[in-house]
Amino acid sequence: DAGITQSPRHKVTETGTPVTLRCHQTENHRYMYWYRQDPGHGLRLIHYSYGVKDTDKGEVSDGYSVSRSKTEDFLLTLESATSSQTSVYFCATGQGANTEAFFGQGTRLTVV
Amino acid sequence: QKEVEQNSGPLSVPEGAIASLNCTYSDRGSQSFFWYRQYSGKSPELIMFIYSNGDKEDGRFTAQLNKASQYVSLLIRDSQPSDSATYLCAAFSGGYNKLIFGAGTRLAVHP
Repeated sequence: DAGITQSPRHKVTETGTPVTLRCHQTENHRYMYWYRQDPGHGLRLIHYSYGVKDTDKGEVSDGYSVSRSKTEDFLLTLESATSSQTSVYFCATGQGANTEAFFGQGTRLTVV
Repeated sequence: QKEVEQNSGPLSVPEGAIASLNCTYSDRGSQSFFWYRQYSGKSPELIMFIYSNGDKEDGRFTAQLNKASQYVSLLIRDSQPSDSATYLCAAFSGGYNKLIFGAGTRLAVHP
């Protein structure tokens, strides 16, 4: 397995507060992804990165921003958390285009 | 239209039977396709990938790709109760550099 660490693993936060989730990888993979998983929706792509400082929006990017200043780290920020952002968030990495993704352990975020 | 579509199930099969999971995709530029298995409360794990039209076999698993019909499938032979999980289909959109997943199909294998 690729060395992918997500932090925190669990978080409860209040509506309106900013939240940052971190994904750290030790595999030197070029691609990194943030997904959210909700019942009935599978994995929905929030944002992704295909290189340092190269990021793009996914299917459900509203209310989220990302940054990737170095290969190892991909940060997901909820600018002002809402209850609709309560979800399980997965980070994934891939070596390059058209390659498989390896997943982190997930972060369970609850917005109250 | 979702980019990758799957029947949510549940698909229920008896132990020892063949389970057939299906997926369609909308982006004709997609070149690589993946099947992941996800147990409840766990992260998705890769089972198979396929890039070329036709069949690809790995143990009890066979992935099938038909690019003309934009269709991907996964067959699980001799299904076991331990195969009970959600199976996620994914397509890499080459034009947009992103990996898109379907909603997943829940498989239940009963003894």
